[in-house]
Amino acid sequence: QKEVEQDPGPLSVPEGAIVSLNCTYSNSAFQYFMWYRQYSRKGPELLMYTYSSGNKEDGRFTAQVDKSSKYISLFIRDSQPSDSATYLCAMARMDSSYKLIFGSGTRLLVRP
Amino acid sequence: KAGVTQTPRYLIKTRGQQVTLSCSPISGHRSVSWYQQTPGQGLQFLFEYFSETQRNKGNFPGRFSGRQFSNSRSEMNVSTLELGDSALYLCASSLDADRGGYEQYFGPGTRLTVT
Repeated sequence: QKEVEQDPGPLSVPEGAIVSLNCTYSNSAFQYFMWYRQYSRKGPELLMYTYSSGNKEDGRFTAQVDKSSKYISLFIRDSQPSDSATYLCAMARMDSSYKLIFGSGTRLLVRP
Repeated sequence: KAGVTQTPRYLIKTRGQQVTLSCSPISGHRSVSWYQQTPGQGLQFLFEYFSETQRNKGNFPGRFSGRQFSNSRSEMNVSTLELGDSALYLCASSLDADRGGYEQYFGPGTRLTVT
């Protein structure tokens, strides 16, 4: 079993929809949580990062962490065609914050 | 601030050769991590350097090595290339959690093709 599980998709939604992306993890030692967006043949771009349970909002993006359930989510409001990309969750232990463990990524397609 | 830069962006090598990839972190960042991304295995941690010292290494053979210089720039080397080493190699930098920043910022990657 992988330490971080993420549905590969693809997830297809109409423009303007609210998108929900999720990851589950098995290692309770994970304390740092990040979401990256990766366009084809590009490097991952950091979208959100948090170390605490609860919600963190930044513009159209909201990251949610539930450590008791070992579950994290990324919500995208008012989705745009430019949001079409692969979304990767990543997490790390407090004693090795530099070693990110990634989910496999979810492909998102936002239809105009 | 300039982002993480990686050179070269693309590389084609033959089996058995060796290759060196370079990474310049964001100014002020002293932690540099390297990852390999392939369609089958996704993103996997190779190793990390901080203040010229390797702090951790992922589950890769000894053919994969790296180093960091005093200006925080880092290089990774792969010797005796195999076809399976074809991948996107990504470098990421951070301030380091103990110094107020655990989040990692990635460069554009070096796409290595081994023929």
